[in-house]
Amino acid sequence: KAGVTQTPRYLIKTRGQQVTLSCSPISGHRSVSWYQQTPGQGLQFLFEYFSETQRNKGNFPGRFSGRQFSNSRSEMNVSTLELGDSALYLCASSLGGLSSPLHFGNGTRLTVT
Amino acid sequence: TQLLEQSPQFLSIQEGENLTVYCNSSSVFSSLQWYRQEPGEGPVLLVTVVTGGEVKKLKRLTFQFGDARKDSSLHITAAQPGDTGLYLCAGVVNTGNQFYFGTGTSLTVIP
Repeated sequence: KAGVTQTPRYLIKTRGQQVTLSCSPISGHRSVSWYQQTPGQGLQFLFEYFSETQRNKGNFPGRFSGRQFSNSRSEMNVSTLELGDSALYLCASSLGGLSSPLHFGNGTRLTVT
Repeated sequence: TQLLEQSPQFLSIQEGENLTVYCNSSSVFSSLQWYRQEPGEGPVLLVTVVTGGEVKKLKRLTFQFGDARKDSSLHITAAQPGDTGLYLCAGVVNTGNQFYFGTGTSLTVIP
């Protein structure tokens, strides 16, 4: 079974630009969640999508948005990039139950200059 | 303030030593999971504990869920260099539906 695939692996953007990250979950997984990981803050929850609907949302500004398609693939968009948005963005898929284990991709490393 | 606090934050030990990592909260969790993350990769699930007082063993790793389901520990016996990585606890609060991750413990095992 193929794992969670995130593209691209690396991105360098300039302040003020916008970026879209992509995540393909494990086949059969209907839940996709996104996390931001930084050395100072650790893993912070961004949002979770289940069957194309946002089910949960973390405490991030509206510049961070996402969506999920009918095939469960998900995209995350960050507009008006700030230097502080530099981080590893991780996507995780699961079957969707509360205690369902999360299967992570290897992340997208975003650097904002 | 993080919902799940891990200690220690950093740990550097010699191969063959034992160690314990702690994950504490003031909230009750319906379940807790432990993940290990290696550089350049996403976290990988090690174990899920569900019942208060539960103990699970995975080869040299022993996981315990506190009786009150507010804390957990990970004990590694005879650590090996392959155990090096970032250890993360995570769980869903009893009254919620969102995963929270701990602050992380970075373990380095020196050969």
